[in-house]
Amino acid sequence: EVQLVESGGDLVQPGGSLRLSCAVSRFTVSSNYMSWVRQAPGKGLEWVSVIYSGGNTYYADSVKGRFTISRDNSKNTLYLQMNSLRVEDTAVYYCARNWGVISGWYFDLWGRGTLVTVSS
Amino acid sequence: QTVVTQEPSFSVSPGGTVTLTCGLSSGSVSTSYYPSWYQQTPGQAPRTLIYNTNTRSSGVPDRFSGSILGNKAALTITGAQADDESDYYCVLYMGSGISVFGGGTKLTVL
Repeated sequence: EVQLVESGGDLVQPGGSLRLSCAVSRFTVSSNYMSWVRQAPGKGLEWVSVIYSGGNTYYADSVKGRFTISRDNSKNTLYLQMNSLRVEDTAVYYCARNWGVISGWYFDLWGRGTLVTVSS
Repeated sequence: QTVVTQEPSFSVSPGGTVTLTCGLSSGSVSTSYYPSWYQQTPGQAPRTLIYNTNTRSSGVPDRFSGSILGNKAALTITGAQADDESDYYCVLYMGSGISVFGGGTKLTVL
C-alpha cells in the first residue's frame, strides 16, 4: 500500500525551529515532485513548498527564506526545515505527491498530516 | 498577489445538482492553470477529485465533473448525496512551481 507518513510536529515557541519528515513507501521520492501543504486550525489549505525530481525547489511567499524543503533519497523521506517560526505557522502540515504539468499539475497522494503549534 | 476565489458556502438538496466555481481575483481561469479539485471532511486529509480541468481521479464517481465555465473553473456534482457534504478546494498552477489554493467552499446537503 502506498503510504506517506508525516512526523515531527510539536509545540514550539515563536522564533524556534522544527523539522518535519514525510516517510514514503511504495514509490520513490526522488523520482517525483513532492509538496508540503498546510492547514491552520479552522482554515483552508495553503500550499507551502515543492521539490522537483531534478532538485529545484519553490516556496510560497509566506515561508520563503524561513522554510527549506529537502529529501533523503537513501531514506525515501521528504523533509521541511522550518526556522524563525511564527504564531501564524500553526497548522497541520501535509506532504503530498505532486504531478507536473505534463500530467496536469495536481496532488494525488496525501499523508494524514502532523500538527505544528507555535505558541509561547 | 494572486487570489483564487471560491464561494464560501453552498447548499444543495439530496439528488440535486450543484456547480462550485474557482476564479481569479484578476483575470480568467483557463486550462493553462491546470485546475484541480479536492474534497475534505473534518479531520481528514484531502481527497483528489478532478485534475487537469476535467479528469477524474481514480475511484471518483462520474457524478463529479470538472470544466471551464466562462472565466472560471467549475466542479459540478450531479445527484448530490449526503456524504458529499464536505469542504471543496480548487488549486491553480501559477507557473514556476507555484500552486495556489482557493479559500474553499463548504457544501451542505440538505
